[in-house]
Amino acid sequence: DTGVSQDPRHKITKRGQNVTFRCDPISEHNRLYWYRQTLGQGPEFLTYFQNEAQLEKSRLLSDRFSAERPKGSFSTLEIQRTEQGDSAMYLCASSKSRSMNTEAFFGQGTRLTVV
Amino acid sequence: AQTVTQSQPEMSVQEAETVTLSCTYDTSESDYYLFWYKQPPSRQMILVIRQEAYKQQNATENRFSVNFQKAAKSFSLKISDSQLGDAAMYFCAYARSNDYKLSFGAGTTVTVRA
Repeated sequence: DTGVSQDPRHKITKRGQNVTFRCDPISEHNRLYWYRQTLGQGPEFLTYFQNEAQLEKSRLLSDRFSAERPKGSFSTLEIQRTEQGDSAMYLCASSKSRSMNTEAFFGQGTRLTVV
Repeated sequence: AQTVTQSQPEMSVQEAETVTLSCTYDTSESDYYLFWYKQPPSRQMILVIRQEAYKQQNATENRFSVNFQKAAKSFSLKISDSQLGDAAMYFCAYARSNDYKLSFGAGTTVTVRA
């Protein structure tokens, strides 16, 4: 296992189009997180899964955003009707258990540019 | 909501020297965790060091150490014997003990001069 994998690494889309990103966590990790990072800022929490259950969504996640984690394995993050303000790096992270002694491993991210 | 503040947008250090990055946080919780993450230009976030709030002893990881001042809500990172590979953006982060969400500061860019 080579770690958390995200696809695509880069995405350029026209305003109003829909985009979908994929995250493959480390195989034995049951927790999966999505964060958004704009240039020069720290990541901001978007949503979290424990296995297949989505347990929390940030207020940053508008109705145009939806995330899924079918079967508790990979996760997808979809943005509908993209806006220029959605341009950012979308980071996925996973961890193994409830304990914060377990490290959260991050993927390399998907950079979205909305033109 | 918890906030994490990093007041130094950029820091520069000579190779082999020491640099200290500042971080303050705001919380009403008594039990929580603090982290320093490194994000090199390749963009993958890597955990550098972790501190449990209930532990008085400051965490150390090789050349990286922290100064945790719970009463002052301060959590600084010291990088000793700086190496060229230490050049990156460093983020301070907070998480409650019963939580799973990381709250990040805005980051400090560290450059290492050869």
